[in-house]
Amino acid sequence: GIQVEQSPPDLILQEGANSTLRCNFSDSVNNLQWFHQNPWGQLINLFYIPSGTKQNGRLSATTVATERYSLLYISSSQTTDSGVYFCAVSMDSSYKLIFGSGTRLLVRP
Amino acid sequence: DGGITQSPKYLFRKEGQNVTLSCEQNLNHDAMYWYRQDPGQGLRLIYYSQIVNDFQKGDIAEGYSVSREKKESFPLTVTSAQKNPTAFYLCASSQGLLPSNQPQHFGDGTRLSIL
Repeated sequence: GIQVEQSPPDLILQEGANSTLRCNFSDSVNNLQWFHQNPWGQLINLFYIPSGTKQNGRLSATTVATERYSLLYISSSQTTDSGVYFCAVSMDSSYKLIFGSGTRLLVRP
Repeated sequence: DGGITQSPKYLFRKEGQNVTLSCEQNLNHDAMYWYRQDPGQGLRLIYYSQIVNDFQKGDIAEGYSVSREKKESFPLTVTSAQKNPTAFYLCASSQGLLPSNQPQHFGDGTRLSIL
């Protein structure tokens, strides 16, 4: 089945710093989503981005489907950005999202 | 507000007991899903449903059962056959019939623990 790899697994930032999270996937996908899971476990949709680039405030994401990767950019990080960031994909004719193992981000004040 | 409501937030189960987790959505979504998350891990699919009275097993369905009697509701029962039920359970929904390229939206989850 399709493999989803996220890097780095852990990341510590000082407040105000920028960061880039990466998601590699092993096959063609028709759905790619980025999620933020906060310390209370809530899974928040950040982007639905099977291809192209999107921006939402301090966050932006780019997916290069032909090269099978996606990047999540966090600029001017804040302590509330802490948590786990998941990339999840699904393939054509598939019903399920395959999740990566996540990037654990800690932003220090 | 439109969304997905899961209840309860916390649930404790005794050995040999079945428990049912509730999931309700008012987004008018066709597809609904149940995922399990273990500590430090990503999510794995338990069951999914495309339409009322139809549901399919996911990757880890053993020890679980579901029903879909109404479009808005997709309850999950954790049976006594599930030997390691302690986990965080998340319900999701998406628009349209499957296969779908629509994003999935998640509830806030239920934490299940064994007494």
